Amino acid sequence: GAVVSQHPSRVICKSGTSVKIECRSLDFQATTMFWYRQFPKQSLMLMATSNEGSKATYEQGVEKDKFLINHASLTLSTLTVTSAHPEDSSFYICSAAGGRGLKTTEAFFGQGTRLTVV
Amino acid sequence: GNSVTQMEGPVTLSEEAFLTINCTYTATGYPSLFWYVQYPGEGLQLLLKATKADDKGSNKGFEATYRKETTSFHLEKGSVQVSDSAVYFCALSEWSGGKLTFGQGTILTVHP
Repeated sequence: GAVVSQHPSRVICKSGTSVKIECRSLDFQATTMFWYRQFPKQSLMLMATSNEGSKATYEQGVEKDKFLINHASLTLSTLTVTSAHPEDSSFYICSAAGGRGLKTTEAFFGQGTRLTVV
Repeated sequence: GNSVTQMEGPVTLSEEAFLTINCTYTATGYPSLFWYVQYPGEGLQLLLKATKADDKGSNKGFEATYRKETTSFHLEKGSVQVSDSAVYFCALSEWSGGKLTFGQGTILTVHP
């Protein structure tokens, strides 16, 4: 099946710094990537949808200036948490969909990134 | 808007017991339905899916049938194993590969 790689898997950063998370589709071209956030023992909440070469569409309540999303190529999307604070600590997961090179347009998930802001 | 409601957990079973995790949904159109599994410390893996009414998705002994009349997609397994211990998410998408709306997740623990 299609592989989506997310990096890093864990990151600890100091309050006030910025952290970049990468999401790569390794064996297919992802025209669309999604970023989700998962709070402890809760479900996944969609943060934003990004399409290659265009601005991301953010869900209501998600600060676009705080969570910067870039989808510069068909295989890479990045999420940058700017000026991170402890309340941003969470599990962030990306998924990629697109269909090019795939038999279906199913979305495939990365392994997730555990962000801890201290 | 779309929504997914799962039975609340946690669910604790003995090995070889029968498993049912209920899932109902609300959608404006004709969504595809999914079950994802998340093992400790890992991302989500697609367990099974169904794209139209009366379809049955199955994988690794798990099954779920898309019931349009009851707007349900209950997950079942006849005999669970310790290795099935994980969090299970029911989800829907208005188009295959699109953004997903997730249920709240159900923690399953299987004891030997």
